[in-house]
Amino acid sequence: EVQLVESGGGLVKPGGSLRLSCGASGFSFSSYTMNWVRQAPGKGLEWVASIRSSSSYIYYADSVKGRFTISRDNSKNSLYLQMSSLRAEDTAVYFCARVWDVFYYMDVWGKGTTVTVSS
Amino acid sequence: DIQMTQSPSSLSASVGDTVTITCRTSQSISNYLNWYQQEPGKAPQVLIYAASSLQTGVPRRFNATGSGAEFTLTISNLQPGDFATYYCQQSFTPPHYDFGQGTKLEI
Repeated sequence: EVQLVESGGGLVKPGGSLRLSCGASGFSFSSYTMNWVRQAPGKGLEWVASIRSSSSYIYYADSVKGRFTISRDNSKNSLYLQMSSLRAEDTAVYFCARVWDVFYYMDVWGKGTTVTVSS
Repeated sequence: DIQMTQSPSSLSASVGDTVTITCRTSQSISNYLNWYQQEPGKAPQVLIYAASSLQTGVPRRFNATGSGAEFTLTISNLQPGDFATYYCQQSFTPPHYDFGQGTKLEI
């Protein structure tokens, strides 16, 4: 079964750091571009970051550039999001998603992990 | 960034109805438009990619058309599981994936 499972969410104080992980199974993880997408409480979807299969290209939304770092370990079938200098507005459910590199849509999603930034 | 405008933002309907959601973009994106469904508390799932292609396993009650800057998603014979929030997403400028603000379909 094709599956993505996020972990690492939690409560963190403003200015703090957190590392999210996303474990992949059931498909050739190393062949796919992967995304992080977030959803603030009661709000819509926001793309956060993207990493190509070989980590050759990495991109960030302006809202997180310079504070978040996306990475992957293809030997461990894992995707990561290192978040630092966290702000209240980073509070959200964070989803990892697989990208189908033909029309660049996200065809497999994890269930999400919740990050709450609050003092 | 490409601006995405979905309408309506919410919609009330009944089981068996047919509804249409529209997504307009601030510039032409050819057919690089995808539609997702998100049930409360769950992850989004793709329904339609490339403006009109049905993702595997999605019922044919879901139909989408459009190209350029105007797109529509039509759901016919609404079923209880269809009451969810629907998002359009442009993939014309990867990896910047802009989403519409969502349309909440309610009973």
